[in-house]
Amino acid sequence: GAVVSQHPSWVICKSGTSVKIECRSLDFQATTMFWYRQFPKQSLMLMATSNEGSKATYEQGVEKDKFLINHASLTLSTLTVTSAHPEDSSFYICSATMAAGYNSPLHFGNGTRLTVT
Amino acid sequence: SQQGEEDPQALSIQEGENATMNCSYKTSINNLQWYRQNSGRGLVHLILIRSNEREKHSGRLRVTLDTSKKSSSLLITASRAADTASYFCAPSLGNQGGKLIFGQGTELSVKP
Repeated sequence: GAVVSQHPSWVICKSGTSVKIECRSLDFQATTMFWYRQFPKQSLMLMATSNEGSKATYEQGVEKDKFLINHASLTLSTLTVTSAHPEDSSFYICSATMAAGYNSPLHFGNGTRLTVT
Repeated sequence: SQQGEEDPQALSIQEGENATMNCSYKTSINNLQWYRQNSGRGLVHLILIRSNEREKHSGRLRVTLDTSKKSSSLLITASRAADTASYFCAPSLGNQGGKLIFGQGTELSVKP
């Protein structure tokens, strides 16, 4: 149980275009999902907290107009990288928790490798 | 949220040996979680240990927690090549909807 599916697993896009990444909880409902990005050989950096039915909460330094997050249902959150540039190339990972409270581990998708040319 | 600091940054051992990774954190916690990340993949939850627990086991994994020293350790016994991965600890206050901040991790290499 507790499977998180992320799609696509990799994407190449041209500079200036937008890319949408989907994160689905397959066998549980997730009121809260988290988006991270990871550069090679570095740790995960939390970008934002995605809350079902409300606006996402972005971490300091993350541009909300560039990284659009939509959490329209209890099983789906999307991250759209708008007007992508080569410096946006990274590994994006989503995660979800079954119960947004005490003692609940995160379940991660397998990540999306974005390359902007 | 706070992040844990893993030590060492890198660890290389032979198959069959034990691997010990340490984690330190700064403030009081509700629980501490350990995750594994294989190259190019998402993280996999390994163990969650609550602040009132001192030790927890799961198969070949043993986690200890010392809240007085604000530290935790992850021991992998009889390591296998498949254990090669990065390992992250994540202290949790338990009151931020599951939000976790990750440190740099320990990169474990198990040589066959």
